[in-house]
Amino acid sequence: AQSVSQHNHHVILSEAASLELGCNYSYGGTVNLFWYVQYPGQHLQLLLKYFSGDPLVKGIKGFEAEFIKSKFSFNLRKPSVQWSDTAEYFCAVKVPSNNAGNMLTFGGGTRLMVKP
Amino acid sequence: DAGITQSPRHKVTETGTPVTLRCHQTENHRYMYWYRQDPGHGLRLIHYSYGVKDTDKGEVSDGYSVSRSKTEDFLLTLESATSSQTSVYFCAISESYTQYFGPGTRLTVL
Repeated sequence: AQSVSQHNHHVILSEAASLELGCNYSYGGTVNLFWYVQYPGQHLQLLLKYFSGDPLVKGIKGFEAEFIKSKFSFNLRKPSVQWSDTAEYFCAVKVPSNNAGNMLTFGGGTRLMVKP
Repeated sequence: DAGITQSPRHKVTETGTPVTLRCHQTENHRYMYWYRQDPGHGLRLIHYSYGVKDTDKGEVSDGYSVSRSKTEDFLLTLESATSSQTSVYFCAISESYTQYFGPGTRLTVL
């Protein structure tokens, strides 16, 4: 079974700093990749997703992620964070070839705190 | 927000009691999912459904059962709640191969 690793469990940044959150997965074949964000007390919201094509994906709120197949990575980036980006971020992977249920495997999450 | 509601939003119960959580969707999606969210574990799939009366187990299905008698409703039942089932439970639907989540139910088992 595939696994997803988010190595940074907690990240603290000041406003305007650049952000990069790591995500690595274990499956060697075709994958679909997702980043979700969960603001305090709220449900998960989709930030961006990659299915195929340009490996640099742009999402909402100025976030982007780059799929690097050779590194099994899908890191999330934002050039300049805001206090409102304080949230928990989840990477998720879907293996479409053996997945009739469209199931996702999630990483453990990264808590981001942005100091004003 | 993909038209997903969950009820109740908060529940406190005692060990050994049965608990049923409800997920309701308004957009006729075929696939529905139940996850639990625990610190450090992200979200883990409990059960999912691919149609009325069609369900299958996920990664952490022990102690849980599900039912789907109508397209719009997906019920999660804890037959005899245990303290290890204290968690936040999220329902999700799949649309265009992407999952969208409901607001969650915070369950505390004392």
